Amino acid sequence: DSGVTQTPKHLITATGQRVTLRCSPRSGDLSVYWYQQSLDQGLQFLIQYYNGEERAKGNILERFSAQQFPDLHSELNLSSLELGDSALYFCASSVAQTSRKDTQYFGPGTRLTVL
Amino acid sequence: GDSVTQMEGPVTLSEEAFLTINCTYTATGYPSLFWYVQYPGEGLQLLLKATKADDKGSNKGFEATYRKETTSFHLEKGSVQVSDSAVYFCALRGGGATNKLIFGTGTLLAVQP
Repeated sequence: DSGVTQTPKHLITATGQRVTLRCSPRSGDLSVYWYQQSLDQGLQFLIQYYNGEERAKGNILERFSAQQFPDLHSELNLSSLELGDSALYFCASSVAQTSRKDTQYFGPGTRLTVL
Repeated sequence: GDSVTQMEGPVTLSEEAFLTINCTYTATGYPSLFWYVQYPGEGLQLLLKATKADDKGSNKGFEATYRKETTSFHLEKGSVQVSDSAVYFCALRGGGATNKLIFGTGTLLAVQP
């Protein structure tokens, strides 16, 4: 158990809908990261928050947004869903904003299926 | 940009065989390197890491050495077990002001009894 929790574990929804994925980081970690794992794109970095502020963006679509709250949990919002958004979404957390020695610990993931 | 290349899988081995999974990288600056493992139906677990050249990361019998001259971080284990069956991902954290991880495509390891 990494200490990172994600809910829900599974999510099935229809095209055009909007969903929210939730992540609670390990105790003491200030950075939260979101990654998407799909068959065609592999594991890709989406976005990083540190202590409530956005710090880095990767290949995140404009239909997707995220935030980190004062209690450090984070939510990833996916809207106008398309079939191609079906994937496993991972949250990770770490202590630092940027550090060579920092280690990211991953949650169990949320499997999103868009029908 | 930064990238990671892993050997294609699946890799199928008999129990107690020697394992090597190749990983090479392209990066500017001095990246940190990681191996993560994903067991069936689970999330990613950190297996080992190395943060500078010639560092050796090790855990649970697995080892990998950060080779700057060959830009490689190959994963090895002397004697695999059925319980090692999983997908292994090589990843790098590039230099600069971001902690984002760049992953390889993953290598599926299947160990047969």
